[in-house]
Amino acid sequence: QLVLTQSPSASASLGASVKLTCTLSSGHSSYAIAWHQQQPEKGPRYLMKLNSDGSHSKGDGIPDRFSGSSSGAERYLTISSLQSEDEADYYCQTWGTAWVFGGGTKLTVL
Amino acid sequence: QVQLQESGPGLVKPSETLSLTCAVSGYSISSGYYWGWIRQPPGKGLEWIGSIYHSGSTYYNPSLKSRVTISVDTSKNQFSLKLSSVTAADTAVYYCARPEGYWGQGTLVTVSS
Repeated sequence: QLVLTQSPSASASLGASVKLTCTLSSGHSSYAIAWHQQQPEKGPRYLMKLNSDGSHSKGDGIPDRFSGSSSGAERYLTISSLQSEDEADYYCQTWGTAWVFGGGTKLTVL
Repeated sequence: QVQLQESGPGLVKPSETLSLTCAVSGYSISSGYYWGWIRQPPGKGLEWIGSIYHSGSTYYNPSLKSRVTISVDTSKNQFSLKLSSVTAADTAVYYCARPEGYWGQGTLVTVSS
């Protein structure tokens, strides 16, 4: 059974960069994922689709500060030049005949 | 611009059936992609409820499968969710979404007498 594992929390300073990780369970390292952002009191927003080779396609209007990369079973979301509005929960997801969400990472911008 | 919009009652009584509809604009559901329902209880993470493929095949979360029905109306370009025998544990914000790109704004459904 596919499981996506995310650290519950992360923090970084305003203007700095942060790298969030989503780990796919054993046997699923070839899967693509989606990254979603959920700002406080708002619904989720699609950020990007991230493939196992690191190629990614971002959603409409997503700034260049957001990028994705992959290594084995790890999928990464890097946010550079952190802004206050980047403080949010970030979820990874796979989809297909079953959809799976990671538990989410709460990002605090210091 | 693809847009998804949920609609339905915000209050449902225990043991009754929750019914929601997701209207899609800017893209024909039957043209491609998976489309689905996700919920988020207050203060918690995202939970997949079920989904439908553009071919019409449906897929459900095993933990909810006995209570969930998802259907599609291609003439109206919308898909619907029915969740039966609801309890307070089903209180959540319900979202419709297409994983590769788009979410609805969500609708809060409260289960209470």
